[in-house]
Amino acid sequence: AQRVTQPEKLLSVFKGAPVELKCNYSYSGSPELFWYVQYSRQRLQLLLRHISRESIKGFTADLNKGETSFHLKKPFAQEEDSAMYYCALIQGAQKLVFGQGTRLTINP
Amino acid sequence: GAGVSQSPRYKVTKRGQDVALRCDPISGHVSLYWYRQALGQGPEFLTYFNYEAQQDKSGLPNDRFSAERPEGSISTLTIQRTEQRDSAMYRCASSLAGELFFGEGSRLTVL
Repeated sequence: AQRVTQPEKLLSVFKGAPVELKCNYSYSGSPELFWYVQYSRQRLQLLLRHISRESIKGFTADLNKGETSFHLKKPFAQEEDSAMYYCALIQGAQKLVFGQGTRLTINP
Repeated sequence: GAGVSQSPRYKVTKRGQDVALRCDPISGHVSLYWYRQALGQGPEFLTYFNYEAQQDKSGLPNDRFSAERPEGSISTLTIQRTEQRDSAMYRCASSLAGELFFGEGSRLTVL
């Protein structure tokens, strides 16, 4: 079965330090992967998707098919990055499957 | 409205009662999704619609759960004979070009 694993429930780093949120997946086909984010008191929203290859708010994520990973990275963390982050993949035509989420806290 | 709207935002009910959760998607969005999220977990897929057609209901946990979208716009998720284990945040999203736009969710508490 297709699955998304985020091994860290909590991650805490200092402002200005690099951030890496881990995501591993299992998928038999060619995956389409996403990162969604939920800031405090806001809705769950799309951060980035691997097919767009964009950098959003300084975050990037590279699909590594060999390691079946899609880790989210930012070189210099900012306090406003504190949020809940969810990795997700498309299963079948349209069904989005989420990981358990990582709560990122940026300490001043 | 500009975003996906869900009601009620909070619902407290007694075990055995039926509840109906409503989702009003972004105008023009063809696809509508229902997810359930327990505390400390990621959103868990329940079902989704394209227009009024229910495309996949594989995530509905049992036959107490049902969903409809009769006119291809507003959707209702109904839980019959609620149980304490049904307590969760129920999230609705509508979709355009693969990006899901979520509502604020309906938090259900079954006593």
